[in-house]
Amino acid sequence: GENVEQHPSTLSVQEGDSAVIKCTYSDSASNYFPWYKQELGKRPQLIIDIRSNVGEKKDQRIAVTLNKTAKHFSLHITETQPEDSAVYFCAASQGASGTYKYIFGTGTRLKVLA
Amino acid sequence: DVKVTQSSRYLVKRTGEKVFLECVQDMDHENMFWYRQDPGLGLRLIYFSYDVKMKEKGDIPEGYSVSREKKERFSLILESASTNQTSMYLCASNSGLAGDTQYFGPGTRLTVL
Repeated sequence: GENVEQHPSTLSVQEGDSAVIKCTYSDSASNYFPWYKQELGKRPQLIIDIRSNVGEKKDQRIAVTLNKTAKHFSLHITETQPEDSAVYFCAASQGASGTYKYIFGTGTRLKVLA
Repeated sequence: DVKVTQSSRYLVKRTGEKVFLECVQDMDHENMFWYRQDPGLGLRLIYFSYDVKMKEKGDIPEGYSVSREKKERFSLILESASTNQTSMYLCASNSGLAGDTQYFGPGTRLTVL
């Protein structure tokens, strides 16, 4: 069935270094790929998204790249800060008949060490 | 600003009890979703609704039912709670337009004893 694989499950980086989280999706019809950040005890919140007609999108220290041929997309965080510590989820939207169900990855726990 | 609220942040119930989790959104969104979140398993879709009185099963609907009598409200029902339903439950909504973001509620941590 439809599946999104996310790696790594945990990631520790030194403050100021970059972090990269990768996701692979199975359904070639997927056309929308959001990334959510969930801080401890809080709700997931959208941090960046990308649509299938774009290869890369950047917002300050955060960027997402999409390779449709390989069916994978990645989140890049540069100059990491302690407040970037959180769980990050990727998702792929199957998109059909207006329902736009999401398939989520299993999450990456990012720890930024001061 | 989109607001999605859930009726309880924490809930403790006993095995066999009937449990209602309520979700309300104030953005006139067409779609509403219920997920459960467990460590290492990410967010798994239980049910979703794309219109009033309409519902579709997600990936793990067993043991759950839903109700959507009004557009702004989506209820998750555990007919007879079991210990393996102890989890964090997250509600979400979106407009249903192509590529629209899902907005999440704060979550309900349910413990079934």
